[in-house]
Amino acid sequence: GEDVEQSLFLSVREGDSSVINCTYTDSSSTYLYWYKQEPGAGLQLLTYIFSNMDMKQDQRLTVLLNKKDKHLSLRIADTQTGDSAIYFCAESSNTGFQKLVFGTGTRLLVSP
Amino acid sequence: EADIYQTPRYLVIGTGKKITLECSQTMGHDKMYWYQQDPGMELHLIHYSYGVNSTEKGDLSSESTVSRIRTEHFPLTLESARPSHTSQYLCASSRGTSDAGELFFGEGSRLTVL
Repeated sequence: GEDVEQSLFLSVREGDSSVINCTYTDSSSTYLYWYKQEPGAGLQLLTYIFSNMDMKQDQRLTVLLNKKDKHLSLRIADTQTGDSAIYFCAESSNTGFQKLVFGTGTRLLVSP
Repeated sequence: EADIYQTPRYLVIGTGKKITLECSQTMGHDKMYWYQQDPGMELHLIHYSYGVNSTEKGDLSSESTVSRIRTEHFPLTLESARPSHTSQYLCASSRGTSDAGELFFGEGSRLTVL
């Protein structure tokens, strides 16, 4: 079945850039997503990228997709303490039904 | 801000009790989902629904059951809770179109079975 892998933990200092990486196995993935989960809360969609795109930028967020290597990354510029959270990579294939497969999540800790 | 609500947020109960976790959304979404989130953070899909009177089992086998009698309501029931059911349960919904398909999540119900 599909598999999505992420590193478990990343620690950065405030003001630095953070890069969270994700690899997936499903070559039929159509959409790839980044969700954020703050403590005690549900997941919230940060951004997504369609599989025929290489890059998407949205304010401080940059998503890079290497479809050949099945590698997705999320770069957060000027990381703030409020960015501390768990970040989930997810993928879905275009079945008309949003059955997402989530990664293991990366806990980002931003220190002052 | 997403309009999807889960109750209770926290529940501690004894083994053998029947529990129902409630999930309601006011967005008119056709599709709804239940995910189980284990202590290692990974999410697993346990149930989903295409719409009223539709329920399907997800990728992770679960002893829980769900129902979808109304569009806005997707409760999850455990007939006899066990310590192995201790987990966080996240409900989500999405529009019924074939677009990028954002999932809107509730805040979760954290269940502890003693």
